[in-house]
Amino acid sequence: EVQLVESGGGLVQPGRSLRLSCATSGFTFGDYLMSWFRQAPGKGLEWVGFIRSKTSGGTSEYATSVKGRFTISRDDSKSIAYLQMNSLKIEDAGVYYCARDLFVSTAYFFENWGQGTLVTVSS
Amino acid sequence: EIVLTQSPATLSLSPGERATLSCRASQSVSIYLAWYQQKPGQAPRLLIYDASTRATGVPARFSGSGSGTDFTLTISSLEPEDFAVYYCQQRINWRMITFGPGTRVDIK
Repeated sequence: EVQLVESGGGLVQPGRSLRLSCATSGFTFGDYLMSWFRQAPGKGLEWVGFIRSKTSGGTSEYATSVKGRFTISRDDSKSIAYLQMNSLKIEDAGVYYCARDLFVSTAYFFENWGQGTLVTVSS
Repeated sequence: EIVLTQSPATLSLSPGERATLSCRASQSVSIYLAWYQQKPGQAPRLLIYDASTRATGVPARFSGSGSGTDFTLTISSLEPEDFAVYYCQQRINWRMITFGPGTRVDIK
């Protein structure tokens, strides 16, 4: 069974940093693109960024709203994806989800999601 | 950036009725569009990808259609568990993924 479990959320002050983790099991992690999404309270879904598999170059792409502040990385030996969030803003608050691409060949659609971790940005 | 617009914002229907949800893209996304269902407190669930292909385990009452800029998600006969928010997502641009604002399907 495919499982994704996010952790690392919490309360952080504006301007500070936080690192989220996405621990996975039940599939060959290194074969898949992994993505992060977020959802502000009562709002819709927003793509944050993704990291391709190493066989697809291991490159990352980011939403304009987080480019230069957030970094996605992966540890294929541990089957974990990370989201490093720096210079956090009030508007970065919300539930953060990690998700796995639908196909090894890369579909950029997401069938498996974690349960989410809540990030609160407040002074 | 490709902007997705969903209509209506809210759809109030009774169980057993047919639901028709629309998603319109600001420019062509070919068939590279997906639909997700999200219930309160839960992660999104992929229903449809490539405009019309049902994801694994998705009931046949869910169907998708369209290409280019206009897409439709149809639920042929609403079950109680189908009342939720539905989002469309495009991936024509493999450097940026965008979602529509969502359509809430409420019990009438």
